[in-house]
Amino acid sequence: QVQLVQSGADVKKPGASVKVSCETSGYTFTSYALHWVRQAPGQRLEWMGWINAGNGDTKYSQRFQGRVTITSDTSASTAYVELSSLRSEDTAVYYCARDPSGGSSPWGFFDYWGQGTLVTVSS
Amino acid sequence: ETVMTQSPATLSVSPGERATLSCRATQNVGSNLAWYQQKPGQAPRLLIYAASTRATGIPDRFSGSGSGTEFTLSISSLQSEDSAVYYCQQYHHWPPWTFGQGTKVEIK
Repeated sequence: QVQLVQSGADVKKPGASVKVSCETSGYTFTSYALHWVRQAPGQRLEWMGWINAGNGDTKYSQRFQGRVTITSDTSASTAYVELSSLRSEDTAVYYCARDPSGGSSPWGFFDYWGQGTLVTVSS
Repeated sequence: ETVMTQSPATLSVSPGERATLSCRATQNVGSNLAWYQQKPGQAPRLLIYAASTRATGIPDRFSGSGSGTEFTLSISSLQSEDSAVYYCQQYHHWPPWTFGQGTKVEIK
């Protein structure tokens, strides 16, 4: 069965960077895009960006442009999101989520999700 | 950016009754609309995509309708396990794909 397992919770100081991993199994990693979505306390879900796991192409939300980097390791069937210059407003649960499109362009909705990773930014 | 607005914020429904949730987009998103269910401490779960297609394993008491800018999620006979927050999401205009603020469904 399809599974997305994320790394554990992390605490960072303002200005630091954080990197969250998403290890996948149960499907061919390079055949599906992966997205990162975050949810700050009491806020709506917010799409951050996606990666074409087949060729490494990425697209980011303008809101995070310059601060976010999504990468993948095909040998490990794992995707990563790194967010830099952290501020308190970046405290959130970060989710990876699979796009059901098996092609080169994402459909833009999410059929399987990781369990979430809480990132806390605090001095 | 396409803004998604859901109503009501909270819906309290008795078991066995029908729950109707609304979602409105600030511009036409066609039928490119998904609904998710999120329970406390859990990741969202895909319920509906293409406005009205149930995802794999979703009970048929969940149904979606609408197109353009107005959408509805209906739960025909509410069960206790349906207590959750429900989010709509448009995937027509991107980046970014955008979510509503959620409707919390409570069981009376």
